[in-house]
Amino acid sequence: ETGVTQTPRHLVMGMTNKKSLKCEQHLGHNAMYWYKQSAKKPLELMFVYNFKEQTENNSVPSRFSPECPNSSHLFLHLHTLQPEDSALYLCASSQDFSGANVLTFGAGSRLTVL
Amino acid sequence: QKEVEQNSGPLSVPEGAIASLNCTYSDRVSQSFFWYRQYSGKSPELIMSIYSNGDKEDGRFTAQLNKASQYVSLLIRDSQPSDSATYLCAVNIGYGQNFVFGPGTRLSVLP
Repeated sequence: ETGVTQTPRHLVMGMTNKKSLKCEQHLGHNAMYWYKQSAKKPLELMFVYNFKEQTENNSVPSRFSPECPNSSHLFLHLHTLQPEDSALYLCASSQDFSGANVLTFGAGSRLTVL
Repeated sequence: QKEVEQNSGPLSVPEGAIASLNCTYSDRVSQSFFWYRQYSGKSPELIMSIYSNGDKEDGRFTAQLNKASQYVSLLIRDSQPSDSATYLCAVNIGYGQNFVFGPGTRLSVLP
């Protein structure tokens, strides 16, 4: 496989469920990102990992918990979500944390919270 | 607060025309500028990157950057219906900083 792969592509969960989103990149990149995309709103950065170290947490509620076991894998653990958390969650990677490097996005995980 | 602004559209152009998409940004030290295309229900994909003042051409696409005016644009020549998508402008101010995305402009190319 090439590029950035996200699973699952679609997820429906109740407010009391625990689920995880997975992202894997096959590009040899060292930085990985979680973005949230809601209708009619700009992409919102949630978390950034650079060389497996978390460098950013944009005031994201604790019901979202990231995990980055290595430079190729990124998880977003979900627990006790709210209906307003329903959105497209996009994983991205870049060569490193240089501003000149391009973000490569995965296909996204469409989350619906009931 | 760093901001990137775009006209949300929709911008409608006839097939074969030039589509002009505009983006302004607030942070004067911004260094890197990107245009992404996002089809409905899909993830963003890179169209162009530009780092220096002036024009950069790639096929039917031309990015224009004017740092003094804090303005970056994307021109699409000979627009095709397949160009119908939302175009996202993204800006980065440098190493260790995050990309800031605009809200996107929805382009509709009419056959």
